[in-house]
Amino acid sequence: ILNVEQSPQSLHVQEGDSTNFTCSFPSSNFYALHWYRWETAKSPEALFVMTLNGDEKKKGQISATLNTKEGYSYLYIKGSQPEDSATYLCAFSGATNKLIFGTGTLLAVQP
Amino acid sequence: GAVVSQHPSRVICKSGTSVKIECRSLDFQATTMFWYRQFPKQSLMLMATSNEGSKATYEQGVEKDKFLINHASLTLSTLTVTSAHPEDSSFYICSAVQGAGDRNQPQHFGDGTRLSIL
Repeated sequence: ILNVEQSPQSLHVQEGDSTNFTCSFPSSNFYALHWYRWETAKSPEALFVMTLNGDEKKKGQISATLNTKEGYSYLYIKGSQPEDSATYLCAFSGATNKLIFGTGTLLAVQP
Repeated sequence: GAVVSQHPSRVICKSGTSVKIECRSLDFQATTMFWYRQFPKQSLMLMATSNEGSKATYEQGVEKDKFLINHASLTLSTLTVTSAHPEDSSFYICSAVQGAGDRNQPQHFGDGTRLSIL
């Protein structure tokens, strides 16, 4: 059974704090690692799709890194804002054409 | 761009009712769509992969006669929960991938459907 784990489960920070979360995934048969942001009452929004070991991607104040050999990805948010409050999901794609999701990290940014 | 519309957003109905959920890609064509289910405090679990013009591929443990999937066009997939029972109550969400559906492409999600069976 393939397992994708995310930590922490939830995080409460103050506006302006920088934060990061971890996604752990199987290191064998790696094809791609996806990050999504899921705000309450909205649909999940794609942030990044990462495929190469050592990849770093950035979108505004959000960035992500990828280590496929050890099976982890970090998502960083610099200077969190209340509008960054959401659940951040990662998903692993391996030998088959499907995504295996983690349970997400719930981020709450207080003004 | 890449908007997916899912309807209805919420359904409450009696046990034994069949419920149809629609997933439409509004501004792109999707050969492949995916149906997920999420129970409280759990991750999104893939139920089936919907392929335009062919039969859906179901994940292990998902009853295909219970969850009927039809992908009649490049912009529409439907999931019908047949003779729904309380244990089918859950959050169902669809996604679509542009073009041929390569897995290094992001998935575009609908808003989900909260199904409650009384």
